[in-house]
This record gives sequence, C-alpha cells and structure tokens, in this order.
Amino acid sequence: GAVVSQHPSWVICKSGTSVKIECRSLDFQATTMFWYRQFPKQSLMLMATSNEGSKATYEQGVEKDKFLINHASLTLSTLTVTSAHPEDSSFYICSARVVHEGAPYEQYFGPGTRLTVT
Amino acid sequence: GQNIDQPTEMTATEGAIVQINCTYQTSGFNGLFWYQQHAGEAPTFLSYNVLDGLEEKGRFSSFLSRSKGYSYLLLKELQMKDSASYLCAVLDSNYQLIWGAGTKLIIKP
Repeated sequence: GAVVSQHPSWVICKSGTSVKIECRSLDFQATTMFWYRQFPKQSLMLMATSNEGSKATYEQGVEKDKFLINHASLTLSTLTVTSAHPEDSSFYICSARVVHEGAPYEQYFGPGTRLTVT
Repeated sequence: GQNIDQPTEMTATEGAIVQINCTYQTSGFNGLFWYQQHAGEAPTFLSYNVLDGLEEKGRFSSFLSRSKGYSYLLLKELQMKDSASYLCAVLDSNYQLIWGAGTKLIIKP
C-alpha cells in the first residue's frame, strides 16, 4: 500500500529558529501533497496544497513567508517553519493524494511531526 | 459556506454497536471519507462512499445518502482499541477535502 513518511517525528526548538519537516512518499509518486496542522483536541486544519514543480497554494490566514513549502520532486515535500514562536507549537501532518479506482483522491497521511517551540 | 457536522463525543460499551453520524453542506460532492485517528497519531483511512447505500468492511460499515447530505459510520463488536477520534471528510467540487471536527469515541469495559 501507499506509505508516507515524515521526519522528524518530534522536534523541540528555541524561539526564533527555523525547523524543516520532510514528507516522503515511499512507494509511489505524489504529484499533490498537503500540509495540515492540528492543535490539541481540534480537527485537521489544511495549511497548504503542494504540487510538484510549482508554488504551493496556501489557505487563507496561513503566512506563506513563515511556512515555506517546497515540492521539488514527486516523492518529497518539505515544510520549513521560519522564525518559530511558541504559538507555532503544534502537530504537523503531511498527506499525499493517491488516485485509484477504489477511492479516488484518497489521502495517505504521514505519521506527523510534533513541534514544540520553547 | 461549507459545513460538516458530527457529534463531538460519544461513549459506548465494549462489544456493543455504535453509529457516528455526519451531515454535510458543501459546494459540490465527489465522495465522503471516514478516517480514524488515535491520539497523537495521524489519521488512517477507513472508508469511502460516493454512491448512496451501505458499504461494509469487516466490523466497520459506512452509509451515504446524497439527497440528505448524510452519512454514518457503524462500528460493531466494539473493542477497546476502537477508542479514537473518527473524522468525516467530504471531497468538494474542487476535489478538496473538507474536514469535520471529528467525533471522539470512548469505549468502556
């Protein structure tokens, strides 16, 4: 089946520093990847849609200069949280869209990255 | 606007049956997904419905009525490991997933 990996699984960083999170599709090519953020006891919040070879499409209210997304290849998308602040502490999850007959546009999720900014 | 409603929390007993409802109002419809999410983990796919009716997959079944904008996830023979949040998501006309807030299911012995 389709497997999506994410690295790191958790990270602690100091306020003002930048953190890069990698999302990889291990056994398939993903033309479209999604980045979500989830705060405790809340649902998934879509941050941006990442298409290979083009600029990401950000959701309203998400600062594109703060959350840099790069989708340079069909198997890798990265999210960089720049100048992180404590309010950026959250669970960041990526997913990749897989188009198949059983469930078109199904999204397979990575295991998530828990970011804590001190 | 687009809206997906599901109960915030439900409690059920081990071995019993529980039905989690989801109603939606979206701009277009290209299918409805149910995902399971354990605390601290990413969501995992449970089911996909695009036509009206019941889809059965082991202990889990999912039902869809497009005319009513309604779906439910039915869990039978509940096990303690079924304690999780269940997310309803609709694929809209732009093939974007619109997520519900999730239903936290608590299973008691």
